[in-house]
Amino acid sequence: SQTIHQWPATLVQPVGSPLSLECTVEGTSNPNLYWYRQAAGRGLQLLFYSVGIGQISSEVPQNLSASRPQDRQFILSSKKLLLSDSGFYLCAGTGSGNTIYFGEGSWLTVV
Amino acid sequence: GENVEQHPSTLSVQEGDSAVIKCTYSDSASNYFPWYKQELGKRPQLIIDIRSNVGEKKDQRIAVTLNKTAKHFSLHITETQPEDSAVYFCGTGRRALTFGSGTRLQVQP
Repeated sequence: SQTIHQWPATLVQPVGSPLSLECTVEGTSNPNLYWYRQAAGRGLQLLFYSVGIGQISSEVPQNLSASRPQDRQFILSSKKLLLSDSGFYLCAGTGSGNTIYFGEGSWLTVV
Repeated sequence: GENVEQHPSTLSVQEGDSAVIKCTYSDSASNYFPWYKQELGKRPQLIIDIRSNVGEKKDQRIAVTLNKTAKHFSLHITETQPEDSAVYFCGTGRRALTFGSGTRLQVQP
């Protein structure tokens, strides 16, 4: 079965600092991969998705970027964080039957 | 892009009662309709899903119904229990899921 690993689990970063969140997938090949963000008490906002290595689609203009250097690796980055970037970041990937499963999430607080 | 509306935003029921959450969507080509349960501070967990060639699917106390003509689908929970209390999200889309804004379900013991 598919397993999604995501790290770090929590981080506190100052405004203007860089960000790197990493996600890896086990148990499936050539998955679609996604980054979602959830503000406190809010819904799930799609940030990026990827259907293959080097293929990234951006859903929301922002100061974040994503990369997929390997089939089962997906990275979310920022060069300079804003206060509004705080939230719960979730990596997700497709498993069998294109069902989407989430990683455990990364809590980001920008101070 | 896809637009998903979810109602109600909050729902309080007595233990043993039924709960129904409804979502409407805009893209008539959407063919996959999952429901996720999210407990506080945790990731969303898939609880049931349905594809567009099926009108209804049931798994014990949980069922999902789909009306493609009207472009809406619903989650039904029967015999609710306190552990059903959580936020529930519907989703749909083709390559990526667009989610509804969530329903906070509170089951009163």
